Amino acid sequence: DGGITQSPKYLFRKEGQNVTLSCEQNLNHDAMYWYRQDPGQGLRLIYYSQIVNDFQKGDIAEGYSVSREKKESFPLTVTSAQKNPTAFYLCASSEGHGRDYGYTFGSGTRLTVV
Amino acid sequence: AQTVTQSQPEMSVQEAETVTLSCTYDTSESDYYLFWYKQPPSRQMILVIRQEAYKQQNATENRFSVNFQKAAKSFSLKISDSQLGDAAMYFCAYKIPSGNTPLVFGKGTRLSVIA
Repeated sequence: DGGITQSPKYLFRKEGQNVTLSCEQNLNHDAMYWYRQDPGQGLRLIYYSQIVNDFQKGDIAEGYSVSREKKESFPLTVTSAQKNPTAFYLCASSEGHGRDYGYTFGSGTRLTVV
Repeated sequence: AQTVTQSQPEMSVQEAETVTLSCTYDTSESDYYLFWYKQPPSRQMILVIRQEAYKQQNATENRFSVNFQKAAKSFSLKISDSQLGDAAMYFCAYKIPSGNTPLVFGKGTRLSVIA
């Protein structure tokens, strides 16, 4: 079945470390997105990519980096510059053409700083 | 910039009753899409219902329906015959149709269903 796979489900990071969250989709979707979810804050956009080898900053990109070398993959790196990285991270994808059916979401990664 | 406002951080409803969740948005666009997403305790985001702004008819999906008031920029979600499985966070979202522009989400409403 087609879908989006995020891994790992839980991730622990020590202070000063970079960590990478994986997001893979087999839906043949052009666009992919990363959101951060905090209690009472809703979903805030970190980065998005409309095509391979291109991506744009969202509202809260500082302290994060991404790459889009393959259509299927859009990994997110949380760098040591991100001062408050503990949150729930959601990856999503969309078709990007024709009628707009919104997003397909992954199941999320919970990142905790220890 | 477009914004989406959900003014009710928490709501509760008795099982089998009806509840309405509010959403307003700010935009200068005339063509756009609106969505309601459900996030149950599993945290998997599920699309509940979708509305195209150029369609005057309110969208419905089984027990879920919307009241779309374009002039008022309002997009409320009505859940009829509420069930225990409806307990979740509900997010309203907005999108313009050009390309792959990102969804803009509200902060969410936590719905509790009382047996």
